Amino acid sequence: GIQVEQSPPDLILQEGANSTLRCNFSDSVNNLQWFHQNPWGQLINLFYIPSGTKQNGRLSATTVATERYSLLYISSSQTTDSGVYFCAAFTGGFKTIFGAGTRLFVKA
Amino acid sequence: DAGVTQSPTHLIKTRGQHVTLRCSPISGHKSVSWYQQVLGQGPQFIFQYYEKEERGRGNFPDRFSARQFPNYSSELNVNALLLGDSALYLCASSLQGAQPQHFGDGTRLSIL
Repeated sequence: GIQVEQSPPDLILQEGANSTLRCNFSDSVNNLQWFHQNPWGQLINLFYIPSGTKQNGRLSATTVATERYSLLYISSSQTTDSGVYFCAAFTGGFKTIFGAGTRLFVKA
Repeated sequence: DAGVTQSPTHLIKTRGQHVTLRCSPISGHKSVSWYQQVLGQGPQFIFQYYEKEERGRGNFPDRFSARQFPNYSSELNVNALLLGDSALYLCASSLQGAQPQHFGDGTRLSIL
């Protein structure tokens, strides 16, 4: 089945720094989403981005479907950005495969 | 509008017991998916239902089953509970299968 790999696995930033998180998928997908899981376990939708580029405030995402990767950009990071970031790919077999996540800690 | 609601929020069971978890989707959403998230890992796909039919199944044993009701709510059932079933169980809904998924807050299941 499809493999979804995220990098880096862990990231520590100073408040105000920028970062790029990467998601590679091994096969074509019908849908790709980015989520932020907060310390209470809630999964928050960030982007639904099967292709192209989207921006929402300090966050933006780009998916290049033909090259099977997606990037999540965080600019001017804040302590509230801490948590785990997941990408998830929806396959043609009606399955959603999550990556292992990037654990982000933003220091004040 | 209410988001995806799951019940109960926490549950403690012992090995060998059976458990039923419930999920109400966002109004108008016809697809419900279930995931298991073990501590420190990403969510693992269990089932997807659309219009009351199972459309996708992950690599979970037959002890796991689910169903979707005419009002699109869903139940996840797990029989013969094992210690390894301890996890956060997440439900997500979407308009249809490939559309953006919206997650509930989950049910934390602990097996003693």
